[in-house]
Amino acid sequence: KAGVTQTPRYLIKTRGQQVTLSCSPISGHRSVSWYQQTPGQGLQFLFEYFSETQRNKGNFPGRFSGRQFSNSRSEMNVSTLELGDSALYLCASSTTGQGNSPLHFGNGTRLTVT
Amino acid sequence: GIQVEQSPPDLILQEGANSTLRCNFSDSVNNLQWFHQNPWGQLINLFYIPSGTKQNGRLSATTVATERYSLLYISSSQTTDSGVYFCAARNTGGFKTIFGAGTRLFVKA
Repeated sequence: KAGVTQTPRYLIKTRGQQVTLSCSPISGHRSVSWYQQTPGQGLQFLFEYFSETQRNKGNFPGRFSGRQFSNSRSEMNVSTLELGDSALYLCASSTTGQGNSPLHFGNGTRLTVT
Repeated sequence: GIQVEQSPPDLILQEGANSTLRCNFSDSVNNLQWFHQNPWGQLINLFYIPSGTKQNGRLSATTVATERYSLLYISSSQTTDSGVYFCAARNTGGFKTIFGAGTRLFVKA
């Protein structure tokens, strides 16, 4: 069974631009969550989706948004990029939306904002 | 929300040594997991262990949910064990999994 797939792996953008990151969960997994990892802040929760519904959102500005499609694939979008948005963005999937199953992570998208 | 604290923050071991990593959490949980992040950034799920004890080769984990802590044991450490170990918890009824700051492990040959 294929793992969690994130695309692209690397991305370089300039301030003010916007970016869309994609995540394909493990087949059969219906829950997708996103995390931002930076050296200073560690792993911070961005969003969690289950069956196309956003169940929770972390403490990030409105420039960060996401969605989940009917096939459970998810995208996140960051508009008006800032230098501080440079980070590793990680997506994880799990079988249920109840939190009682393990998370499986993709390899991440490393975003650099110049 | 739930708070997750890990200790120690950094650990240096000689190859072959044993170690114990600790994770404290502030609320009752229905989900407690341990991850290893390798130098390339890949996060690997080691254990899903909301309670009890599990073993996988040289690694084992114990969660005492009533006392709100979990321990990860690494025996006979190898250089490939180097990396960052994260504990992550999700409280009952919550819709997000919170990560601790991690324990950075370096195993010397």
